[in-house]
Amino acid sequence: GIQVEQSPPDLILQEGANSTLRCNFSDSVNNLQWFHQNPWGQLINLFYIPSGTKQNGRLSATTVATERYSLLYISSSQTTDSGVYFCAETGANSKLTFGKGITLSVRP
Amino acid sequence: DTEVTQTPKHLVMGMTNKKSLKCEQHMGHRAMYWYKQKAKKPPELMFVYSYEKLSINESVPSRFSPECPNSSLLNLHLHALQPEDSALYLCASSQEMRQGGDEQFFGPGTRLTVL
Repeated sequence: GIQVEQSPPDLILQEGANSTLRCNFSDSVNNLQWFHQNPWGQLINLFYIPSGTKQNGRLSATTVATERYSLLYISSSQTTDSGVYFCAETGANSKLTFGKGITLSVRP
Repeated sequence: DTEVTQTPKHLVMGMTNKKSLKCEQHMGHRAMYWYKQKAKKPPELMFVYSYEKLSINESVPSRFSPECPNSSLLNLHLHALQPEDSALYLCASSQEMRQGGDEQFFGPGTRLTVL
């Protein structure tokens, strides 16, 4: 089946720093989503990005489908960016396959 | 409105209890999903409903019983659960269920503790 790998597994940043989170997937991507799970468990949609580049405020994402990876960029990080970042790929029958997540801690 | 709501937020139940989790969306989506998430793990798919019919059951034990009474509502009935069923239960919806997938939107989850 589809495998999704995320790196690094953990990331600690000082407030104001920039970071890049990576997602590799094993098969041709149908659709790729990035989520932020906050400390209360809510999964917040960040990007729906099967290919190309999108930006939303301090966040941007790029998916290179031919090379089977996606990157999430966080600029000028804030403490509220802390949490777990998941990428997930949609395969057959709308099944989302999640990576293991990247735990981000932003320190003041 | 891109909101999926879930009730209750927290639930504590004994192994002999019967309880239900509820999920609602008003985005006109025709696919709805239940996921289970254990601590420090990614969400795992349990069930998918498409046009109010059960389309996918990921070999979930029968002590979990899903129900989709209409296109906006999704329930998960719980009976005779085990302590290892304690987890965060997430509901999601998407425009449709199709190969290649539509964007899924998640509710805030119900944190379930089984004593």
